[in-house]
Amino acid sequence: SQQGEEDPQALSIQEGENATMNCSYKTSINNLQWYRQNSGRGLVHLILIRSNEREKHSGRLRVTLDTSKKSSSLLITASRAADTASYFCATGNQGAQKLVFGQGTRLTINP
Amino acid sequence: DAGVIQSPRHEVTEMGQEVTLRCKPISGHDYLFWYRQTMMRGLELLIYFNNNVPIDDSGMPEDRFSAKMPNASFSTLKIQPSEPRDSAVYFCASSLFIYTDTQYFGPGTRLTVL
Repeated sequence: SQQGEEDPQALSIQEGENATMNCSYKTSINNLQWYRQNSGRGLVHLILIRSNEREKHSGRLRVTLDTSKKSSSLLITASRAADTASYFCATGNQGAQKLVFGQGTRLTINP
Repeated sequence: DAGVIQSPRHEVTEMGQEVTLRCKPISGHDYLFWYRQTMMRGLELLIYFNNNVPIDDSGMPEDRFSAKMPNASFSTLKIQPSEPRDSAVYFCASSLFIYTDTQYFGPGTRLTVL
């Protein structure tokens, strides 16, 4: 069963704007990870946030985690054309003994 | 390290033919994963190995699919016989730990079965 569900499925914004993507999940987790996939490429890890963390930053990326609501958000500030990609959340938990990926959000940055 | 290496990058075959996809994980990684990605189903985990041993193959769609990992630096995913519905991008990934660590993905093999 799919653990993480991203919202929205697709997002189109102007270059320079901020992009926010959300991920909801159903069971308790050990960590939540965000990955990026450029067209025709493999997934690339962006950031990992553990269940006891609430916020994490990496460059222009900001990830929040609310375990009470079972949700996470990925914020990309000052978007660039190169940020155009699909973004996936993946949840890791001891019960599943594997990472479970969501369906992804397709982000398009318009110049 | 060169990252996860997959071959071939593209494969076009006819229905009924045998297809073998290959993967070399990152050296030192104990876990190896095979995924399939399609527009309809998204990213699906097919099987994963720990220290060359298959642990969870519940995602393998049918008996036509098989995977092996004869040593720590090589794995294969075989489809025999192939069908048009097997057309997809197949990714191999590796990691140090099962769910508490980053997974490193290869570039994928785009399979087209005619």
